[in-house]
This record gives sequence, structure tokens and C-alpha cells, in this order.
Amino acid sequence: DAGVIQSPRHEVTEMGQEVTLRCKPISGHNSLFWYRQTMMRGLELLIYFNNNVPIDDSGMPEDRFSAKMPNASFSTLKIQPSEPRDSAVYFCASRNEGTSPDTQYFGPGTRLTVL
Amino acid sequence: AQSVTQLGSHVSVSEGALVLLRCNYSSSVPPYLFWYVQYPNQGLQLLLKYTSAATLVKGINGFEAEFKKSETSFHLTKPSAHMSDAAEYFCAVSHSGAGSYQLTFGKGTKLSVIP
Repeated sequence: DAGVIQSPRHEVTEMGQEVTLRCKPISGHNSLFWYRQTMMRGLELLIYFNNNVPIDDSGMPEDRFSAKMPNASFSTLKIQPSEPRDSAVYFCASRNEGTSPDTQYFGPGTRLTVL
Repeated sequence: AQSVTQLGSHVSVSEGALVLLRCNYSSSVPPYLFWYVQYPNQGLQLLLKYTSAATLVKGINGFEAEFKKSETSFHLTKPSAHMSDAAEYFCAVSHSGAGSYQLTFGKGTKLSVIP
């Protein structure tokens, strides 16, 4: 099993640029989560999808952030325009809600630096 | 509402000594409790979980945790620390029922192992 795959692993961009983070969940998993990790705020849930449908996006900080899940094997988190305060590590996680609803599996994360 | 408090943002132990990482939770419903480990530049890996079965839970790498409802605690222990245990550890709480996808994490405890 390849686990959750995220790309890129590192992204450095300038303020005002568009940033797109990508996630491939574990095959067969039907729930997907995007988290943000910062020193100040720790790990925060941004958005949760179930069967490709966004269920809860209350953690998305503002309209500059958007997330999509066009199919069961791919999701994107987009920031447009990016700001220095968006610098963080962004994690994607997935789970199989039918067989193991209590366990999320995390990807390696994307470290984003906005200059 | 649910929350997690991890006492001590940084814990140092000698190699071979007992590891004790503290976690207290607050939850209005019966909780599910988790410990995750994060090695440098990696994603979170599930160490162990409590989901209302046995109160003493054994996980990977020799770690275990005990759910104590009366103390609202879920402390993580390992009898003998190894150098490879140096990492950051996160306690998290969830629950069954509506909103059960919501994992709330503590701020994390960084464990250093001194040779």
C-alpha cells in the first residue's frame, strides 16, 4: 500500500501567487481531510470530504482557500492569492469510513513557504 | 465540544528510562482517543487508539496508554526509551456519532532521548 501521497513536498512562492497542493488518498478510502500545522495553532482541520463531497469546510480560513475533490483518488487545496501567514505544513489524511471510521492515515505533508 | 491538553511541550529522558507523556481530554460524549507520532519531516503515524474496548491499549514500538475516565486522562508510556523514539507525539480526541470525523489534536510533546 502506497499510503497517502502528497505533492509537492516543499513549495516556496512569493506573496500574491497561486499555490496548489495535491493529495492522493489511499485506494478504497472514502473520506479525505486537509489539515494545517503551524507552531502557533498546532494541527487544524481545514476541510473534510466524504465520497468526494465537502461535508465541513468551517475550518477554511478565508475565501482565498478552496478545496476540490473531483474523484475518489485526487484532491487539491488551492490558495489564491497566497500570503506569508499561510506558511505552514499542510497535511492530507484519508480513512475508510465503512471499515475503520475511527482511524485517519496521514500523508507526509507539504511544507509551504510564502515569501 | 472536545479538547485535548498535553502537559509539557518538551520532555527529555535518558535512553533506557521510562517514557511518560501526559494527555488529558475534555469531551461531552464518550471519547475515542488516539496517540500519533511525527518524526522529523514526516506525516503523523498512528501509535495506538482507544475506542471504548479495553482501557489499556497497546500500540506499536512498545508504547501503551491507559484510558482513565475518572481522571479524563490517556497518558502514553513506554518502559524503556530508545534513541529511535525521539519524535513529536500528539494526543487526539474524537467520538462516535454526529461529527465523528472531527479529530481534535493537542499541541504536541517533543520527546528527546539522551544517550
